[in-house]
Amino acid sequence: QVQLVESGGGVVQPGRSLRLSCAASGFTFSAYGMHWVRQAPGKGLEWLAVVSHDGSKTYYADSVKGRFTLSRDNSKNTLDLHMNSLRPEDTAVYYCAKDLQFDGMDVWGQGTTVIVSS
Amino acid sequence: QSALTQPAYVSGSPGQSITISCTGTSSDVGGYNYVSWYQQEPGKAPKLLIHSVSQRPSGVSNRFSGSKSGNTASLTISGLQAEDEAEYHCSSYTTTGSWVFGGGTKLTVL
Repeated sequence: QVQLVESGGGVVQPGRSLRLSCAASGFTFSAYGMHWVRQAPGKGLEWLAVVSHDGSKTYYADSVKGRFTLSRDNSKNTLDLHMNSLRPEDTAVYYCAKDLQFDGMDVWGQGTTVIVSS
Repeated sequence: QSALTQPAYVSGSPGQSITISCTGTSSDVGGYNYVSWYQQEPGKAPKLLIHSVSQRPSGVSNRFSGSKSGNTASLTISGLQAEDEAEYHCSSYTTTGSWVFGGGTKLTVL
């Protein structure tokens, strides 16, 4: 079945880096754009970034632009989010999601938790 | 990239209908028919309910419907059921090539 599985979350000190990964299965990964979305404790969803189906284009939210980098490997059906200069306000559950051709996100992973704390 | 505006809480009794609004600008909700709605139960990932303003994916109950007027989109749930108690989020594509979510609305079924 169509599935996304995130990994890589954990506790990290402010200013450090972390890499999140998302493994896709059950669909033609290379045909779809992919998003990262996060949800801070008790807060709403926050869109972070999207990468085009072939990895040639990426767009970022202002809150993470210049600190986070999104990449994909279509040969391995994986999506990576490299997060640098982490701040306490980056503490959240991070979800990867499959793009529905500009029209939302139709498949979501279960999420991975990132806690930025000293 | 300001968040879309949703009411923080709504409530209704079983069998009733409720509507959740989602207000943006001409750069997002008003500019595209790429508004989507998600249902999120506590501790779970969001689930797509509505896309293209009013389209339901396969498997989503027809009690859920979406609409849009100007810069405001709406999600209506008819025949409210206890299982509908969850948080609901709207989202829109924007003119900058990004997406934006609303702050989320918690629905209580009385």
